[in-house]
Amino acid sequence: DIVMTQGALPNPVPSGESASITCQSSKSLLYSDGKTYLNWYLQRPGQSPQLLIYWMSTRASGVSDRFSGSGSGTDFTLKISRVEAEDVGVYYCQQFLEFPFTFGSGTKLEIK
Amino acid sequence: EVKLVESGGGLVQPGRSLKLSCAASGFSFNDYWMGWVRQAPGKGLEWIGEINQDSSTINYTPSLKDKFTISRDNAQNTLYLQMSKLGSEDTAIYYCARADWYFDFWGPGTMVTVSS
Repeated sequence: DIVMTQGALPNPVPSGESASITCQSSKSLLYSDGKTYLNWYLQRPGQSPQLLIYWMSTRASGVSDRFSGSGSGTDFTLKISRVEAEDVGVYYCQQFLEFPFTFGSGTKLEIK
Repeated sequence: EVKLVESGGGLVQPGRSLKLSCAASGFSFNDYWMGWVRQAPGKGLEWIGEINQDSSTINYTPSLKDKFTISRDNAQNTLYLQMSKLGSEDTAIYYCARADWYFDFWGPGTMVTVSS
């Protein structure tokens, strides 16, 4: 199985500052079609997860442009610009390259 | 509007079975893969498995392959998760989700508690 490893945040993050969440995969997620099969989700407290970013850097419909995804084949970053109270929750990366489609353990964002 | 609603959760004794359902609406159900994800209390997300449009391909996370069975009824726009030999480690919220190369829509989840 592909192992997804997420980094922690230096919480709490001051409101209006930027936050970067890292994720590393045990195998390259770059496929021969040129796409990188890495997704990011946000799970707000008490809610279901919601898709933020797919194919490493494509924002899902309706997602604020304060969220951006970048990376290489195995190292990825989700950047949140100008963090707001509504960004609080747990962020998960997930690989969609090979079954089983494993998730990272999650990174909690708190805001000051 | 895409809507997914899970049902069938509840309290179940260890060793027993339980079948969850996920009712889908607002999209062409038989055009999409569908999946199940679970979340134990206070823990992260665990991918359970996915089923393709005509049920010809079903994939599971290896540790659950012998306990869980995913199926679907395209005429009823419903996804199922049959769970057997349940143990306390299966206590979790179970989510269904629409799958493309990502999970773009999720249901609110249904809680399953395994306890005597």
